[in-house]
Amino acid sequence: RKEVEQDPGPFNVPEGATVAFNCTYSNSASQSFFWYRQDCRKEPKLLMSVYSSGNEDGRFTAQLNRASQYISLLIRDSKLSDSATYLCVGFKAAGNKLTFGGGTRVLVKP
Amino acid sequence: DTEVTQTPKHLVMGMTNKKSLKCEQHMGHRAMYWYKQKAKKPPELMFVYSYEKLSINESVPSRFSPECPNSSLLNLHLHALQPEDSALYLCASSQDLGTGNPGELFFGEGSRLTVL
Repeated sequence: RKEVEQDPGPFNVPEGATVAFNCTYSNSASQSFFWYRQDCRKEPKLLMSVYSSGNEDGRFTAQLNRASQYISLLIRDSKLSDSATYLCVGFKAAGNKLTFGGGTRVLVKP
Repeated sequence: DTEVTQTPKHLVMGMTNKKSLKCEQHMGHRAMYWYKQKAKKPPELMFVYSYEKLSINESVPSRFSPECPNSSLLNLHLHALQPEDSALYLCASSQDLGTGNPGELFFGEGSRLTVL
């Protein structure tokens, strides 16, 4: 089993709708988590850090459920510009290692 | 605009060529990374430098040779590559390993490499 796993999608989302997707991690994987966004043929960029139970930034909400070992990302009022691949990243202090999930592709359509 | 600059943006090379990818950051970050990314896949870690010393080598073939001349520069020397090495090579930096926000990486735009 991979340390950090994501549904690859694509999630086809009508403009203005809400979309949510999860990232699961293995027990030994990570202590803190991050969501990165990567546009087609561009570099990844940090979207949100998730240190405790969750974080909210405008239309984006991330939640961490340690009991069930998953992190979620919810996007409200989706915009066309939200179309991207969302990468879940786990950080393990032992070894100072970042582990990327495979990414979830989101397509927002008019 | 990204604060991590990579050159060249595109590179085409033959299997017998020697070339180098360059990365520069002026944010005072002390950790720098090389990642390899194939189409529709996540970035794969290759090397990590911390305070100009190689900290992590993810069992990368010796035809890839990293170099960190100073705290702002990171190079990746390429020699005798294979066509399967064609990919986007991403450089990233972070404040430090294990302090600050350890997961906050700043990526460059990447160097797209094609090996013929």
